[in-house]
Amino acid sequence: QSALTQPASVSGSPGQSITISCTGTNSDVGAYNYVSWCQQHPGKAPKLMIYDVSHRPSGVSTRFSGSKSGNTASLTISGLQPEDEADYYCSSYTSSSTWVFGGGTKLTVL
Amino acid sequence: QVQLVESGGGVVQPGRSLRLSCAASGFSFSTYAMHWVRQAPGKGLEWVAVMSYDGSNKNYADSVKGRFTISRDNAKNTLYLQMNSLRAEDAAVYYCSSAMGPYYYYGLDVWGQGTTVIVSS
Repeated sequence: QSALTQPASVSGSPGQSITISCTGTNSDVGAYNYVSWCQQHPGKAPKLMIYDVSHRPSGVSTRFSGSKSGNTASLTISGLQPEDEADYYCSSYTSSSTWVFGGGTKLTVL
Repeated sequence: QVQLVESGGGVVQPGRSLRLSCAASGFSFSTYAMHWVRQAPGKGLEWVAVMSYDGSNKNYADSVKGRFTISRDNAKNTLYLQMNSLRAEDAAVYYCSSAMGPYYYYGLDVWGQGTTVIVSS
């Protein structure tokens, strides 16, 4: 159950777009379309932003989008806003019927 | 609205036990799988366990298998995590999360605010 691989940090200026990658294996990300992304502000509980690779829950801004190619999933945030500054985690269902998270990516809005 | 409230955290000595609870409201608890996830201080999220909607199936992370037990009482809309043989590395904020459907492959949807477990002698 190795963690998925995410960059430790990414940054962007307001209005720009950024992409966070999440690399797994053909036993998790590559095997299923059950990849999710959550956002966590300091001291707060995580919030679901994307599920099943590319679906947005009701109420989540259309600036957030997800995709997947092979063993790598991606979260793109367009039109960066100051409130997007947070930690982002990907997660995936695995062939062992468990879930695994990525190590997390700290997004800084410059 | 959907609400999950964890309780039961506290300070416990290594080797001892603790039971966490997660009270659910605002949705049909008995029709959704439920997860536990933890976050050690300053660290990332770690998935801990999942239970299907009716309690018939459950699974665990290798790090807690054999020590932790997930259970649920659908009549009380409550999820539990029994933690035995606690170790220093189990210290974390523990979150419960409702899945997006009845089985484990449904991802984590709504999250509670967490309850803190400190393991110290």
